[in-house]
Amino acid sequence: GAGVSQSPSNKVTEKGKDVELRCDPISGHTALYWYRQRLGQGLEFLIYFQGNSAPDKSGLPSDRFSAERTGESVSTLTIQRTQQEDSAVYLCASSPRGPPGEQYFGPGTRLTVT
Amino acid sequence: EDQVTQSPEALRLQEGESSSLNCSYTVSGLRGLFWYRQDPGKGPEFLFTLYSAGEEKEKERLKATLTKKESFLHITAPKPEDSATYLCAVQGGSGTYKYIFGTGTRLKVLA
Repeated sequence: GAGVSQSPSNKVTEKGKDVELRCDPISGHTALYWYRQRLGQGLEFLIYFQGNSAPDKSGLPSDRFSAERTGESVSTLTIQRTQQEDSAVYLCASSPRGPPGEQYFGPGTRLTVT
Repeated sequence: EDQVTQSPEALRLQEGESSSLNCSYTVSGLRGLFWYRQDPGKGPEFLFTLYSAGEEKEKERLKATLTKKESFLHITAPKPEDSATYLCAVQGGSGTYKYIFGTGTRLKVLA
């Protein structure tokens, strides 16, 4: 079946602009996660959704970052007033159950802030 | 502080040369330990979940084991297509749903 999809695959933006990153999870997966992966670093947890609620937002690095999810479907990660340190690959994962369920990752969105 | 440390950072093997990757962790109340494979430019691919010390899982040339302090990913007679970065992650702790990932081991298998 179809896996997790993310769009766009690449995004180049100017410092100070807002960006929206989209994630389409595997159908029927109730849990959804966002991660940030900087070059040479491990995956950094950002937020966890169960359905359309977010029980854990503790990884969002600042109030410039926000995310929402429509039911058990698509999720959007928004970064306002982007900074160069926001440059990274943003990965989305979904799971058929909440933690400690296994996660299925999308291909990621590579964000470059110039 | 909850932490995951993977070693070695990089490993080069000849085809057929078996070896092990290490994942050491500190977490209060481990609920699951996960292994993933990540190819360049792609998202991580799920391999195994281990829930308790003494548990083992196998898939083709890979075998994952778990103790109270670490996990090993054993690769038997690797092939060039096993070349990838292998990531370890843990989920646990009280009052948190986050998964903590290590920085991975970059494996290169030479033909």
